[in-house]
Amino acid sequence: QKEVEQDPGPLSVPEGAIVSLNCTYSNSAFQYFMWYRQYSRKGPELLMYTYSSGNKEDGRFTAQVDKSSKYISLFIRDSQPSDSATYLCAMSAGGAQKLVFGQGTRLTINP
Amino acid sequence: KAGVTQTPRYLIKTRGQQVTLSCSPISGHRSVSWYQQTPGQGLQFLFEYFSETQRNKGNFPGRFSGRQFSNSRSEMNVSTLELGDSALYLCASRRGDTPGPLEKLFFGSGTQLSVL
Repeated sequence: QKEVEQDPGPLSVPEGAIVSLNCTYSNSAFQYFMWYRQYSRKGPELLMYTYSSGNKEDGRFTAQVDKSSKYISLFIRDSQPSDSATYLCAMSAGGAQKLVFGQGTRLTINP
Repeated sequence: KAGVTQTPRYLIKTRGQQVTLSCSPISGHRSVSWYQQTPGQGLQFLFEYFSETQRNKGNFPGRFSGRQFSNSRSEMNVSTLELGDSALYLCASRRGDTPGPLEKLFFGSGTQLSVL
């Protein structure tokens, strides 16, 4: 079983919809949680970063972490065609521990 | 400020050959990490170099190796290529002052390796 599980999709929604992307994990030592966005033929770029449990909001994006359920989410409000990309969750126990990535969810926002 | 530069952009090799990929980090960044990305496995950590020393290593066979030069540029080498090595190889840099995830990673666009 992988340490981090993420549904690869693809996920296709109409413009303006609320998008929910999720990851589950098995390592209870993880305490740093990130979401990366990767456009086609580009490297990933950091979108959101959360420490421990709770919510974090940045514009149209909200990241949620539920450590008791080992479950993290990324919500995109008022989705735009420019949000079409692959979204990867990543997490780490901190210190010198490496980042562990999910498989990535491919998202398409249809105009 | 120039971003992370990876060369070549595309590479086609045959089984048994070896390959060397290059990465130039953002100026001032001393940490360079390498990742393998495949549709089935996603993004997997290969290794991290900081100031010419390997600081962390993932679970890949010894055929995968790397090095870092005094100017922080890094190379990754894969020997005796296998079909399963076909992947996008991504390099990421950061200042590296703090080990671990507290510092933002900047990724290059990757080298797409195809092994025939």
